[in-house]
Amino acid sequence: DSGVTQTPKHLITATGQRVTLRCSPRSGDLSVYWYQQSLDQGLQFLIHYYNGEERAKGNILERFSAQQFPDLHSELNLSSLELGDSALYFCASSVRLDNSPLHFGNGTRLTVT
Amino acid sequence: GIQVEQSPPDLILQEGANSTLRCNFSDSVNNLQWFHQNPWGQLINLFYIPSGTKQNGRLSATTVATERYSLLYISSSQTTDSGVYFCAVMFSSNTGKLIFGQGTTLQVKP
Repeated sequence: DSGVTQTPKHLITATGQRVTLRCSPRSGDLSVYWYQQSLDQGLQFLIHYYNGEERAKGNILERFSAQQFPDLHSELNLSSLELGDSALYFCASSVRLDNSPLHFGNGTRLTVT
Repeated sequence: GIQVEQSPPDLILQEGANSTLRCNFSDSVNNLQWFHQNPWGQLINLFYIPSGTKQNGRLSATTVATERYSLLYISSSQTTDSGVYFCAVMFSSNTGKLIFGQGTTLQVKP
């Protein structure tokens, strides 16, 4: 068990809908990363937060947004969902800003029908 | 552009064999990690190794930052080693983003 908790584990929704994925980092970790893993795209970096502030952004769609709250948990919001958004979404946390090991949650599998 | 390349893309081994996985990166890094994604989809951190050599049981890793590559060694492979091995790097010129390679898919046959 990595100590990173993601909910829900599975999510099935329809096109056009909006969903929120939640991540609780390991105790003491200040950095939270979000990744998308699709079959044909590998692990794509979406966004990185450190202690509540956005640190770096990848190729995250405008329909997607995220935030990290004062208690350090993070949420990834996906709106106007399309079939192509179906993927495994991972959250990971690390203790420091840039130079410490990353620990992954078990992911949320999103299926858009 | 900035790249992370892993080789080989696929590898099939008999149980007990040794293997070497390679990760090449295009620029200087301040963070490099190796992960194993098991058949159930879980991503496990194997090594945090921006430079130098580390060992953990049957696994070891070496990063030669000046030559821009890292190697992951698996000795006496077991069927439980099967899965995908990813290298992930954070470039010094682009901190905050940990970028993953495309992975090496390893199958260990009994």
